[in-house]
Amino acid sequence: NAGVTQTPKFQVLKTGQSMTLQCAQDMNHEYMSWYRQDPGMGLRLIHYSVGAGITDQGEVPNGYNVSRSTTEDFPLRLLSAAPSQTSVYFCASSLRTYSQQYFGPGTRLTVT
Amino acid sequence: SQQGEEDPQALSIQEGENATMNCSYKTSINNLQWYRQNSGRGLVHLILIRSNEREKHSGRLRVTLDTSKKSSSLLITASRAADTASYFCATDAGAGTALIFGKGTTLSVSS
Repeated sequence: NAGVTQTPKFQVLKTGQSMTLQCAQDMNHEYMSWYRQDPGMGLRLIHYSVGAGITDQGEVPNGYNVSRSTTEDFPLRLLSAAPSQTSVYFCASSLRTYSQQYFGPGTRLTVT
Repeated sequence: SQQGEEDPQALSIQEGENATMNCSYKTSINNLQWYRQNSGRGLVHLILIRSNEREKHSGRLRVTLDTSKKSSSLLITASRAADTASYFCATDAGAGTALIFGKGTTLSVSS
Protein backbone atom coordinates (compact mmCIF):
# COMPACT_ATOMS: atom_id res chain seq x y z
CA ASN A 1 0.00 0.00 0.00
CA ALA A 2 1.22 3.49 -0.85
CA GLY A 3 -0.98 4.93 1.93
CA VAL A 4 -1.86 8.61 1.45
CA THR A 5 -0.06 10.39 -1.35
CA GLN A 6 0.00 14.11 -2.04
CA THR A 7 1.24 16.03 -5.04
CA PRO A 8 2.99 18.33 -5.53
CA LYS A 9 5.44 18.47 -2.58
CA PHE A 10 6.21 22.15 -3.18
CA GLN A 11 4.42 24.84 -5.14
CA VAL A 12 4.85 28.57 -5.67
CA LEU A 13 1.89 30.55 -6.99
CA LYS A 14 1.29 34.16 -7.83
CA THR A 15 -1.66 35.97 -6.28
CA GLY A 16 -4.80 35.25 -8.26
CA GLN A 17 -3.65 31.99 -9.78
CA SER A 18 -5.63 28.81 -9.24
CA MET A 19 -4.39 25.30 -8.69
CA THR A 20 -5.38 21.88 -7.43
CA LEU A 21 -3.61 19.97 -4.69
CA GLN A 22 -3.96 16.25 -5.26
CA CYS A 23 -4.60 13.65 -2.57
CA ALA A 24 -5.10 9.94 -3.07
CA GLN A 25 -5.36 6.92 -0.75
CA ASP A 26 -5.37 3.22 -1.55
CA MET A 27 -6.77 1.91 1.76
CA ASN A 28 -10.47 2.12 0.81
CA HIS A 29 -11.04 4.71 3.54
CA GLU A 30 -14.39 6.45 3.73
CA TYR A 31 -13.19 9.57 5.51
CA MET A 32 -10.79 12.05 3.95
CA SER A 33 -9.88 15.54 5.04
CA TRP A 34 -7.68 18.52 4.29
CA TYR A 35 -5.84 20.54 6.92
CA ARG A 36 -3.59 23.54 6.74
CA GLN A 37 -0.78 24.04 9.22
CA ASP A 38 0.58 27.47 10.02
CA PRO A 39 3.22 28.31 12.66
CA GLY A 40 1.64 28.54 16.11
CA MET A 41 -1.81 27.62 14.80
CA GLY A 42 -1.65 23.84 14.78
CA LEU A 43 -3.76 22.04 12.19
CA ARG A 44 -6.96 23.65 11.03
CA LEU A 45 -9.58 21.68 9.13
CA ILE A 46 -10.46 23.07 5.69
CA HIS A 47 -12.90 20.51 4.22
CA TYR A 48 -13.71 16.89 4.85
CA SER A 49 -15.61 14.06 3.20
CA VAL A 50 -17.36 11.07 4.78
CA GLY A 51 -17.70 9.23 1.48
CA ALA A 52 -17.83 9.60 -2.30
CA GLY A 53 -20.16 12.43 -3.24
CA ILE A 54 -20.33 13.84 0.31
CA THR A 55 -18.26 16.81 1.46
CA ASP A 56 -18.56 19.35 4.24
CA GLN A 57 -16.81 22.48 5.42
CA GLY A 58 -14.34 22.60 8.26
CA GLU A 59 -13.05 25.55 10.28
CA VAL A 60 -11.39 27.53 7.46
CA PRO A 61 -13.14 26.70 4.14
CA ASN A 62 -13.08 30.11 2.46
CA GLY A 63 -11.06 30.23 -0.76
CA TYR A 64 -11.01 26.44 -1.14
CA ASN A 65 -13.16 24.00 -3.04
CA VAL A 66 -13.33 20.19 -2.85
CA SER A 67 -15.14 17.33 -4.52
CA ARG A 68 -15.12 13.58 -3.94
CA SER A 69 -16.08 11.70 -7.08
CA THR A 70 -14.26 8.50 -6.07
CA THR A 71 -13.36 6.86 -2.76
CA GLU A 72 -9.65 7.17 -3.56
CA ASP A 73 -9.26 10.83 -4.52
CA PHE A 74 -9.97 14.07 -2.69
CA PRO A 75 -8.50 17.09 -4.53
CA LEU A 76 -8.35 20.54 -2.97
CA ARG A 77 -8.78 23.50 -5.32
CA LEU A 78 -7.54 26.99 -4.62
CA LEU A 79 -9.83 29.23 -6.62
CA SER A 80 -7.81 32.47 -6.60
CA ALA A 81 -4.65 32.19 -4.52
CA ALA A 82 -3.90 34.81 -1.87
CA PRO A 83 -0.77 35.31 0.26
CA SER A 84 -2.84 34.30 3.32
CA GLN A 85 -3.03 30.80 1.81
CA THR A 86 0.71 30.34 2.15
CA SER A 87 0.87 27.26 4.36
CA VAL A 88 1.63 23.56 4.56
CA TYR A 89 -1.34 21.46 3.49
CA PHE A 90 -1.95 17.95 4.78
CA CYS A 91 -4.40 15.40 3.51
CA ALA A 92 -5.55 12.59 5.79
CA SER A 93 -7.77 9.54 5.52
CA SER A 94 -9.32 7.00 7.87
CA LEU A 95 -11.81 4.15 7.85
CA ARG A 96 -14.30 6.20 9.85
CA THR A 97 -14.35 9.81 11.07
CA TYR A 98 -13.45 8.64 14.58
CA SER A 99 -10.71 6.19 13.56
CA GLN A 100 -6.95 6.55 13.40
CA GLN A 101 -6.01 9.09 10.73
CA TYR A 102 -3.31 8.42 8.14
CA PHE A 103 -1.56 11.54 6.92
CA GLY A 104 0.14 12.33 3.64
CA PRO A 105 3.60 13.95 3.56
CA GLY A 106 2.20 17.45 2.94
CA THR A 107 2.37 20.13 0.26
CA ARG A 108 4.28 23.31 1.03
CA LEU A 109 2.55 26.18 -0.80
CA THR A 110 3.87 29.72 -1.14
CA VAL A 111 1.73 32.47 -2.65
CA THR A 112 3.59 35.62 -3.65
CA SER B 1 -12.32 27.69 17.01
CA GLN B 2 -10.17 24.67 17.77
CA GLN B 3 -11.59 22.06 20.09
CA GLY B 4 -8.41 20.91 21.81
CA GLU B 5 -5.80 23.07 23.49
CA GLU B 6 -2.48 21.53 24.53
CA ASP B 7 -0.46 22.69 27.47
CA PRO B 8 2.38 23.54 27.72
CA GLN B 9 3.11 24.98 24.28
CA ALA B 10 6.75 23.95 24.63
CA LEU B 11 8.60 21.53 26.90
CA SER B 12 12.34 20.89 27.23
CA ILE B 13 13.67 17.92 29.18
CA GLN B 14 16.73 15.69 29.47
CA GLU B 15 16.92 12.17 28.15
CA GLY B 16 15.57 9.69 30.67
CA GLU B 17 13.08 12.14 32.21
CA ASN B 18 9.32 11.82 31.85
CA ALA B 19 7.34 14.25 29.71
CA THR B 20 3.72 15.16 30.43
CA MET B 21 1.49 17.06 28.04
CA ASN B 22 -2.10 18.07 28.65
CA CYS B 23 -5.05 18.62 26.37
CA SER B 24 -8.28 20.40 27.26
CA TYR B 25 -11.37 20.46 25.09
CA LYS B 26 -14.65 22.30 25.12
CA THR B 27 -17.55 20.04 24.12
CA SER B 28 -18.54 16.40 24.61
CA ILE B 29 -16.38 13.96 22.69
CA ASN B 30 -16.59 10.46 21.32
CA ASN B 31 -12.86 9.73 21.19
CA LEU B 32 -9.62 11.55 21.85
CA GLN B 33 -6.47 10.79 19.90
CA TRP B 34 -2.83 11.80 20.23
CA TYR B 35 -0.51 12.30 17.27
CA ARG B 36 3.19 13.04 16.85
CA GLN B 37 4.76 15.18 14.15
CA ASN B 38 8.47 15.21 13.44
CA SER B 39 9.71 18.44 11.92
CA GLY B 40 8.36 18.98 8.42
CA ARG B 41 6.65 15.61 8.24
CA GLY B 42 3.07 14.33 8.32
CA LEU B 43 1.41 13.39 11.60
CA VAL B 44 1.65 9.88 12.98
CA HIS B 45 -1.04 8.35 15.16
CA LEU B 46 0.06 7.38 18.67
CA ILE B 47 -2.99 6.32 20.65
CA LEU B 48 -6.78 6.58 20.76
CA ILE B 49 -8.82 6.64 23.96
CA ARG B 50 -12.60 6.35 23.94
CA SER B 51 -14.85 8.54 26.05
CA ASN B 52 -15.75 5.60 28.31
CA GLU B 53 -12.08 4.79 29.03
CA ARG B 54 -10.01 6.46 31.73
CA GLU B 55 -6.50 5.27 30.97
CA LYS B 56 -4.63 3.56 28.17
CA HIS B 57 -1.04 2.40 27.71
CA SER B 58 1.09 1.79 24.66
CA GLY B 59 4.76 1.04 25.24
CA ARG B 60 6.25 4.12 26.97
CA LEU B 61 3.05 6.11 26.43
CA ARG B 62 0.29 6.52 28.99
CA VAL B 63 -2.85 8.48 28.21
CA THR B 64 -5.52 9.46 30.72
CA LEU B 65 -8.92 10.96 30.03
CA ASP B 66 -11.12 12.85 32.48
CA THR B 67 -14.41 13.64 30.78
CA SER B 68 -15.74 15.52 33.81
CA LYS B 69 -12.86 18.00 33.48
CA LYS B 70 -12.79 17.73 29.68
CA SER B 71 -9.08 17.02 29.73
CA SER B 72 -6.52 14.41 28.76
CA SER B 73 -2.85 13.94 29.46
CA LEU B 74 -0.10 12.16 27.56
CA LEU B 75 2.85 10.85 29.56
CA ILE B 76 6.01 9.70 27.81
CA THR B 77 8.26 7.81 30.21
CA ALA B 78 12.05 7.58 29.98
CA SER B 79 12.23 10.10 27.12
CA ARG B 80 14.76 9.69 24.33
CA ALA B 81 16.21 12.23 21.90
CA ALA B 82 14.10 10.55 19.19
CA ASP B 83 10.95 11.67 21.05
CA THR B 84 11.73 15.25 20.04
CA ALA B 85 8.65 16.28 18.06
CA SER B 86 5.37 18.15 18.27
CA TYR B 87 2.45 16.36 19.90
CA PHE B 88 -1.19 17.05 19.10
CA CYS B 89 -4.47 15.94 20.58
CA ALA B 90 -7.52 15.56 18.37
CA THR B 91 -11.16 15.00 19.25
CA ASP B 92 -14.33 13.96 17.48
CA ALA B 93 -17.96 14.16 18.51
CA GLY B 94 -19.04 10.87 16.93
CA ALA B 95 -19.71 9.25 13.58
CA GLY B 96 -19.91 11.73 10.74
CA THR B 97 -18.27 14.56 12.64
CA ALA B 98 -14.87 15.94 11.80
CA LEU B 99 -11.68 15.33 13.75
CA ILE B 100 -10.43 18.62 15.20
CA PHE B 101 -6.83 19.16 16.28
CA GLY B 102 -5.30 21.37 18.93
CA LYS B 103 -2.28 23.63 18.46
CA GLY B 104 0.23 21.15 19.82
CA THR B 105 3.04 20.86 22.35
CA THR B 106 6.61 21.00 21.09
CA LEU B 107 8.81 18.59 23.03
CA SER B 108 12.57 18.87 22.96
CA VAL B 109 14.60 16.06 24.52
CA SER B 110 18.32 16.70 24.88
CA SER B 111 20.98 14.10 25.50
